[in-house]
This record gives sequence, C-alpha cells and structure tokens, in this order.
Amino acid sequence: KNEVEQSPQNLTAQEGEFITINCSYSVGISALHWLQQHPGGGIVSLFMLSSGKKKHGRLIATINIQEKHSSLHITASHPRDSAVYICAVGLISNFGNEKLTFGTGTRLTIIP
Amino acid sequence: DSGVTQTPKHLITATGQRVTLRCSPRSGDLSVYWYQQSLDQGLQFLIQYYNGEERAKGNILERFSAQQFPDLHSELNLSSLELGDSALYFCASSVGSPGEQYFGPGTRLTVT
Repeated sequence: KNEVEQSPQNLTAQEGEFITINCSYSVGISALHWLQQHPGGGIVSLFMLSSGKKKHGRLIATINIQEKHSSLHITASHPRDSAVYICAVGLISNFGNEKLTFGTGTRLTIIP
Repeated sequence: DSGVTQTPKHLITATGQRVTLRCSPRSGDLSVYWYQQSLDQGLQFLIQYYNGEERAKGNILERFSAQQFPDLHSELNLSSLELGDSALYFCASSVGSPGEQYFGPGTRLTVT
C-alpha cells in the first residue's frame, strides 16, 4: 500500500464547477504539501499545511490530522486550472529535515 | 517564475555516460532538494542539502551523487547512465527545513 493515496486519479468537469481532490496518508507527518504541475512540466507549490485550513484565491486546502486526510478544493473552476495536482507528505528525518513522499497525482481537466 | 534555476533544460546522452545537472536556489534559501520524476515511478525524493551539508537521503542510487557549494548552488551527478534513468529531474529550494519548497523548471534527461 502506498503511503500517500490520492483520489480521483482523473477528473473532468465543466467550467464553474466546484472541485474536490482527496489525499489520504498512512504515516505520521510533519506537514502536507499540495503541488500543481502544468502540462509543460513545471511544478508550483500551492499549499503547505500541518493543521486546519488555508485559502488562496479560489483554492482551499484542509487537513484532518486525526483522520490522516487532506482535501484540495477549487471554487468556480476555470480551464486554466487544468493540471495535475499532487499531494506530498513530509516525513521528518533524525536531523529534523523533511523528506517528501508523493502521491501519484490527480489529472484535472476543466472543459469550457 | 519560482526564482530557482536549473540547467540544462534538456540533455540527451548515451548509456554509460556521466552528466551533471545544476541548480541555483532562490536568493536566501539555504536548503536544496533533488527529485526525480519518471513515467513509471512518479515523483521521488533523492537528496537534500542544507547550507552545504547533506541532511536527508531518499531513493538515490549509488551511481548518483550530489553536492552543495559555498555559494549554495547544487549539482547532481549521474554516472554509468542507464535507459531507466531517463526522467525529469527537479530541484527545489526552501529557506529552512521543513519549509515551503519552490521548484525549478526541471531538466529533462533522455538516455539513449
């Protein structure tokens, strides 16, 4: 079993729809990261969170530490949101440094 | 633009060869991370340096090595290349560790 599971693997929606991508993990973590990877390959960090909820524009990320689960929401989705969204969990090593373990990603396509 | 630069953008080489990938972190960031993204394995953490010292190691092969120089730029050396080493190699940087990571544009390595 992978340490980080994302669902769904693929998601196609109409412009304007509310989008939810889920991430579950099986180990204790220091923080959870949400990343966005565009078709050209570049990766952008969207959120880093260790508790509660964060919001940036139309994006909202939540995490439930007890349930080992995080969600990424996109409100009023737009075709430019089409990308692969990757969840990564941070595991702290002996020296207090963080090693990221990645989910397999959710490919989101927003149709105009 | 994340402020992290990587060179070269593309690299095509033959099996058995050795290559060096270079990464310059964002100004002020002390931590550099290297990741490999292949079609079959997804994103994997390779190694982390903080202010010149190796801090965490992931799934890095013995044929691969890295270092971080006094000016904080980092190099990833890949030797005795195999077809399976073909992948996108990303570096990322952060101010501290753990911390939000900013990704470079990646180097696409093709081994023929």
